Amino acid sequence: NAGVTQTPKFRILKIGQSMTLQCTQDMNHNYMYWYRQDPGMGLKLIYYSVGAGITDKGEVPNGYNVSRSTTEDFPLRLELAAPSQTSVYFCASSPPGRKRDSGANVLTFGAGSRLTVL
Amino acid sequence: AQKITQTQPGMFVQEKEAVTLDCTYDTSDQSYGLFWYKQPSSGEMIFLIYQGSYDEQNATEGRYSLNFQKARKSANLVISASQLGDSAMYFCAMREGQGSGGSNYKLTFGKGTLLTVNP
Repeated sequence: NAGVTQTPKFRILKIGQSMTLQCTQDMNHNYMYWYRQDPGMGLKLIYYSVGAGITDKGEVPNGYNVSRSTTEDFPLRLELAAPSQTSVYFCASSPPGRKRDSGANVLTFGAGSRLTVL
Repeated sequence: AQKITQTQPGMFVQEKEAVTLDCTYDTSDQSYGLFWYKQPSSGEMIFLIYQGSYDEQNATEGRYSLNFQKARKSANLVISASQLGDSAMYFCAMREGQGSGGSNYKLTFGKGTLLTVNP
């Protein structure tokens, strides 16, 4: 199994450009997430999805959009890139858990996408 | 207030010794989960260990154990017999709530502790 696959691994954007970070998983996980990691910081949630057609905002959604047309894919779109969006982006997925025991909902992460906005 | 606090920006340990990485958390939920992830210099996030709030025993996974003190709201990671390959950033994370919907599976991460294992 490939797990969670992100593309591209590296990208340099100019201010004002747009791009889409691709994420796909082959584990049939219902839940998918996008996090960003700034230098010296932990991960912050941008958007998440509980299934195809359902998305919701996380902690830092401004400047991003997502869609979830299939269970496998969860692309993240950056509109009008800004230097503040320079970061490493991680896509993750997880299966649903059981009540009072979410040991089954361990997040599996992709390898990350390093984005620089100049 | 921060939900996850890792007070040690960096830690050093000698090879083959044990090391404890601190994590305290803040939640009013009765049901929650605590996770530790490892991020080596290559950048990927590797799941290490999980502790549920209702688990009575401390979680263990090989050389990793979680020292869960519910009353103190701490979930420290203990790595026994450190190896050079353990040098990495370590993140503590928490999932709040019953986990009955996707929103309850969101993880909140601490800022991490950079562990260096010396030969």
